[in-house]
Amino acid sequence: GAVVSQHPSWVICKSGTSVKIECRSLDFQATTMFWYRQFPKQSLMLMATSNEGSKATYEQGVEKDKFLINHASLTLSTLTVTSAHPEDSSFYICSARDSRGADTQYFGPGTRLTVL
Amino acid sequence: GIQVEQSPPDLILQEGANSTLRCNFSDSVNNLQWFHQNPWGQLINLFYIPSGTKQNGRLSATTVATERYSLLYISSSQTTDSGVYFCAVAYFNKFYFGSGTKLNVKP
Repeated sequence: GAVVSQHPSWVICKSGTSVKIECRSLDFQATTMFWYRQFPKQSLMLMATSNEGSKATYEQGVEKDKFLINHASLTLSTLTVTSAHPEDSSFYICSARDSRGADTQYFGPGTRLTVL
Repeated sequence: GIQVEQSPPDLILQEGANSTLRCNFSDSVNNLQWFHQNPWGQLINLFYIPSGTKQNGRLSATTVATERYSLLYISSSQTTDSGVYFCAVAYFNKFYFGSGTKLNVKP
């Protein structure tokens, strides 16, 4: 149980285009999901907290107009990188909080974004 | 915010050796988890351990919440244990990661 999927697993796009990444909790409902960014050989940096049915909460320094988050259902959150630039290239990871029992988070496999 | 520090940053072991990884945090937390990130980037949940001690095979973890630290023990290490180990703490409904320990187990 407690599986989180991400799609796509990798994507290459041209500068100026937008890319959407999906995060799904497959066997549990997640009222809260998180989006992280990880640069090579670095730790995970929390970008935003995605709450079902309400606006996302962004961490300081994260541009909300650039990284659009939508949490339309209890099993799906999406991150859209708008007008992507090479500096947006990174590994993006989502997690979903399973609050049924122990308050733990489960991670998706990540999406590697390369902007040319 | 909260500070989460891990040590050592890098660790090289010979197969079969034991090791201890440490995670210090600067404030009281609701939850602490240990993860292993494999070479493909997948984060594998190892332990949910806000306090106490847990064991799972060759791995065990101890969290002393009152002293704000957690330890991850790896015994009889194997090459498949290589990767980066992260601790993450739940603090005011958000999760914060340490900088990780990169483990390289050599055959």
